[in-house]
Amino acid sequence: DAGVIQSPRHEVTEMGQEVTLRCKPISGHDYLFWYRQTMMRGLELLIYFNNNVPIDDSGMPEDRFSAKMPNASFSTLKIQPSEPRDSAVYFCASLGVRNTEAFFGQGTRLTVV
Amino acid sequence: AQSVTQPDIHITVSEGASLELRCNYSYGATPYLFWYVQSPGQGLQLLLKYFSGDTLVQGIKGFEAEFKRSQSSFNLRKPSVHWSDAAEYFCAVGNQAGTALIFGKGTTLSVSS
Repeated sequence: DAGVIQSPRHEVTEMGQEVTLRCKPISGHDYLFWYRQTMMRGLELLIYFNNNVPIDDSGMPEDRFSAKMPNASFSTLKIQPSEPRDSAVYFCASLGVRNTEAFFGQGTRLTVV
Repeated sequence: AQSVTQPDIHITVSEGASLELRCNYSYGATPYLFWYVQSPGQGLQLLLKYFSGDTLVQGIKGFEAEFKRSQSSFNLRKPSVHWSDAAEYFCAVGNQAGTALIFGKGTTLSVSS
């Protein structure tokens, strides 16, 4: 398995634009997580899904953020409109119900100018 | 409130010297504890985890950690550090399924020759 795949690896966008981050979890994994990493706040859990259903989105900072998981092999995190303070590295991770380890993607570095 | 504290933001250790990274947690239920390592530009890789049983846990790359319930600590150790160990280390606490991980702010390890 290729592991958790995130795209793009880097994204630079202008303030006010819509940004969509993508994640392909490891096949067969039941849980998918979105994290945001910044210098100031460290790693924050934004939302996680179980069997494609959002379970806890309490970490989503604002209504500008939304996440979907239309099927077991794909998830998106959308920011609309984007703001400079959204600049961060966004990680996706997946976990199988029989595993005890969450596997992380390499992250998407988002820069909003 | 659930939280993880890593008191040391940055540590420098000489190659071949021993290492201890500190982690303290606050968690309402039985804690499941993890240490992850992040190399520059990469995602997070699990070093080791503690769920139950022996409080001294062995991980990959020669790392070990000791769970001390009375001190709410889960410190990471390595007897002899290699230059390739230079990275950022994260302690995390989670629930039984390994979901909804709460991360500490991380400790950056530098290795001097």
